[in-house]
Amino acid sequence: SQKIEQNSEALNIQEGKTATLTCNYTNYSPAYLQWYRQDPGRGPVFLLLIRENEKEKRKERLKVTFDTTLKQSLFHITASQPADSATYLCALDESNTGKLIFGQGTTLQVKP
Amino acid sequence: NAGVTQTPKFQVLKTGQSMTLQCAQDMNHNSMYWYRQDPGMGLRLIYYSASEGTTDKGEVPNGYNVSRLNKREFSLRLESAAPSQTSVYFCASSEEGPKRVGYTFGSGTRLTVV
Repeated sequence: SQKIEQNSEALNIQEGKTATLTCNYTNYSPAYLQWYRQDPGRGPVFLLLIRENEKEKRKERLKVTFDTTLKQSLFHITASQPADSATYLCALDESNTGKLIFGQGTTLQVKP
Repeated sequence: NAGVTQTPKFQVLKTGQSMTLQCAQDMNHNSMYWYRQDPGMGLRLIYYSASEGTTDKGEVPNGYNVSRLNKREFSLRLESAAPSQTSVYFCASSEEGPKRVGYTFGSGTRLTVV
């Protein structure tokens, strides 16, 4: 069974709106969770890391929340732009050893 | 430019051939990783190295071997390539402990085994 779940369906939104992506996990108690962006034909690029004692983290137009009770992280992009179109991956360290397990990613398409 | 460099970028192999994928990082990171990415499967860990001289298996190690040549370099070897090993391979490095931030990935090697 899948350990990290992200919406497999692409998310299509209009430019200027807020995009919200979901990452759910089971059977873990991770000390932190990470989000990455991946463009076609490129390697993933690290965006944000949020620790278990942090409920929210922000970086420019990005915001990540981490609810260890619900076992869920939400990733928000405010005032979205077509350049934000990409696949977004969440990842967690299942054994607190530094080895990350990745979700399959959600593809975001921002339309002008 | 600082980062992770992978070679080659593309490769086509015949079933049974061998090859080594090279990876080097210049960020002085202790930890290095090899992942493969397949459609519908996401990124899966093949092998990792927590420090120079140590390696350990990940989720999908069968058919692969690795060498942590020094702190900078971590290579992945396919001894006898199989069509099931057709994939995109990514190398990554990271700093662990209190200074932990995310992984830095290379640009990938696209391997086709025919």
